[in-house]
Amino acid sequence: DAKTTQPNSMESNEEEPVHLPCNHSTISGTDYIHWYRQLPSQGPEYVIHGLTSNVNNRMASLAIAEDRKSSTLILHRATLRDAAVYYCILTTGGYQKVTFGIGTKLQVIP
Amino acid sequence: DTAVSQTPKYLVTQMGNDKSIKCEQNLGHDTMYWYKQDSKKFLKIMFSYNNKELIINETVPNRFSPKSPDKAHLNLHINSLELGDSAVYFCASSRSMGLAGGEDEQFFGPGTRLTVL
Repeated sequence: DAKTTQPNSMESNEEEPVHLPCNHSTISGTDYIHWYRQLPSQGPEYVIHGLTSNVNNRMASLAIAEDRKSSTLILHRATLRDAAVYYCILTTGGYQKVTFGIGTKLQVIP
Repeated sequence: DTAVSQTPKYLVTQMGNDKSIKCEQNLGHDTMYWYKQDSKKFLKIMFSYNNKELIINETVPNRFSPKSPDKAHLNLHINSLELGDSAVYFCASSRSMGLAGGEDEQFFGPGTRLTVL
């Protein structure tokens, strides 16, 4: 399965936008790009996903590069509740072989 | 109402014992999963179960056996527990397996922290 690479950690000031990058240079044409986040001592929570086009929902936006080899999760205004580990994963035909990497630990500074 | 629930939240046991973790989802989903999150925080899928069809991850030891009495429940039974089984186990569900594209989002339970002494 294609792998993803993310920075280990990032910081953001509260109420500022946050751009979380993910590289997936070996992505295949059928791979979907998913983002999940995990708050401390909780299970992962779905954030957003996409295939080729940019996506928006109430939580975030997903910007996908034209060649699909990278993507960026955008939190428009970071809050303290957004402090979590953010995972970028790829899936094709379900989650059967998915491994979430160590993700990006986002720290939000008041 | 909790969408995906797991019991127990914590489980401490001795090596060699057999234990079970229960999972229930009230979302009406067809597909359920078990994940293991190790001490390095890698979260890896162990099993997926869709409408009575079990899909096994080949790297999972056969001491681990999922059991699904009905579509809303997927329990994990572990035989002959080993120190390396200590981890947090998460149950999850999704509307479908996403095989037709669209890749349904997963809903995760709160996790069960298993400690093997």
